[in-house]
Amino acid sequence: AQSVTQLDSHVSVSEGTPVLLRCNYSSSYSPSLFWYVQHPNKGLQLLLKYTSAATLVKGINGFEAEFKKSETSFHLTKPSAHMSDAAEYFCVPPGGTSYGKLTFGQGTILTVHP
Amino acid sequence: EAGVTQFPSHSVIEKGQTVTLRCDPISGHDNLYWYRRVMGKEIKFLLHFVKESKQDESGMPNNRFLAERTGGTYSTLKVQPAELEDSGVYFCASSQVFEGEQFFGPGTRLTVL
Repeated sequence: AQSVTQLDSHVSVSEGTPVLLRCNYSSSYSPSLFWYVQHPNKGLQLLLKYTSAATLVKGINGFEAEFKKSETSFHLTKPSAHMSDAAEYFCVPPGGTSYGKLTFGQGTILTVHP
Repeated sequence: EAGVTQFPSHSVIEKGQTVTLRCDPISGHDNLYWYRRVMGKEIKFLLHFVKESKQDESGMPNNRFLAERTGGTYSTLKVQPAELEDSGVYFCASSQVFEGEQFFGPGTRLTVL
């Protein structure tokens, strides 16, 4: 089964500065990977999805992630943070034999300061 | 198009009581999932319905939890009797196809006192 490790439980940035949320995965084969975001009092929303078609994946709201097999990483980045980016972010591989269920990482809370 | 809805948004009950959570998936979505996040822990999978059938219930913590999806539309998750450790946020998600993108509801925050 695949698993992920989100390396930072909290990340704090200033508005307008770059965002880096780190995710490492463990798998014996090239995985499918997702990033989900949860804004306060809202449901989780799919941010972007990697399915081996391209190593650089663009998502919504200006976020992107690069799949690096040599580093087993799938870090989420954004060139310039906006106040509305403040949320909790989850790196997710498909997990288990049913494939439909999601196995979530620990989550990274992103705080954006004015 | 309406998204996934969950009711109630919050529930506060005493230990030993019964609570029923409801999830209405997006219309036409055959796949329905329940997840739970206990405070300070990861979001954990509970179970997966395909229409009215339980495809995978490997994440259900114990027999105090009963999930149903009669008619293959909305689903309920009953906790009876509730224990303190059941407190957390319960999320529901639905997808149109197996392994398709899952759309999440806002969650039900359950507090057991």
